[in-house]
Amino acid sequence: KAGVTQTPRYLIKTRGQQVTLSCSPISGHRSVSWYQQTPGQGLQFLFEYFSETQRNKGNFPGRFSGRQFSNSRSEMNVSTLELGDSALYLCASSLDGLMEVGQFFGPGTRLTVL
Amino acid sequence: DQQVKQNSPSLSVQEGRISILNCDYTNSMFDYFLWYKKYPAEGPTFLISISSIKDKNEDGRFTVFLNKSAKHLSLHIVPSQPGDSAVYFCAASADFGNEKLTFGTGTRLTIIP
Repeated sequence: KAGVTQTPRYLIKTRGQQVTLSCSPISGHRSVSWYQQTPGQGLQFLFEYFSETQRNKGNFPGRFSGRQFSNSRSEMNVSTLELGDSALYLCASSLDGLMEVGQFFGPGTRLTVL
Repeated sequence: DQQVKQNSPSLSVQEGRISILNCDYTNSMFDYFLWYKKYPAEGPTFLISISSIKDKNEDGRFTVFLNKSAKHLSLHIVPSQPGDSAVYFCAASADFGNEKLTFGTGTRLTIIP
């Protein structure tokens, strides 16, 4: 099976702009989660989508939003970018529930905000 | 408020010896714990997990121990190999099957040949 894919891999934006990141989960996986990784904070949970519905949400401002399509692909949008949004954004997929195999992560999208 | 803490940012271990990575948590609602390994330019890779009904889980060279009363878990790697050099993250979930994971900040493990 192909792994989790994320596009683009690298992105440079300026403050105030908006950005959309894409994630394609492993075939058959219906849960997609998004995480932000920064050097100081580690990995922080943004939100999780399951069957096109947001099922879990982290503690990020409303500028961060997401959605999931009927084929389980997911997009994450950040509006009005700030310098502090520079981070590695990771997407993870799973069948449903962590079970004994955890989530499968993509390679991430590196976002730089100038 | 860091609910999952990995107090050692880095650890160096001789090849063939045991590597012990530690993780502490503060939220008593956490009942499922996972360890992930991350190489540069790649996403984290799942290693091993443990639920709160167990105190030990083994998978090959990897063993995770859970001490609920101390809110502490550890990952043992025996014997350590050069390919184990990576950043290790522990993560916790407040509900078995809940996808929302709270991660620690990671420990960089370096295996010295």
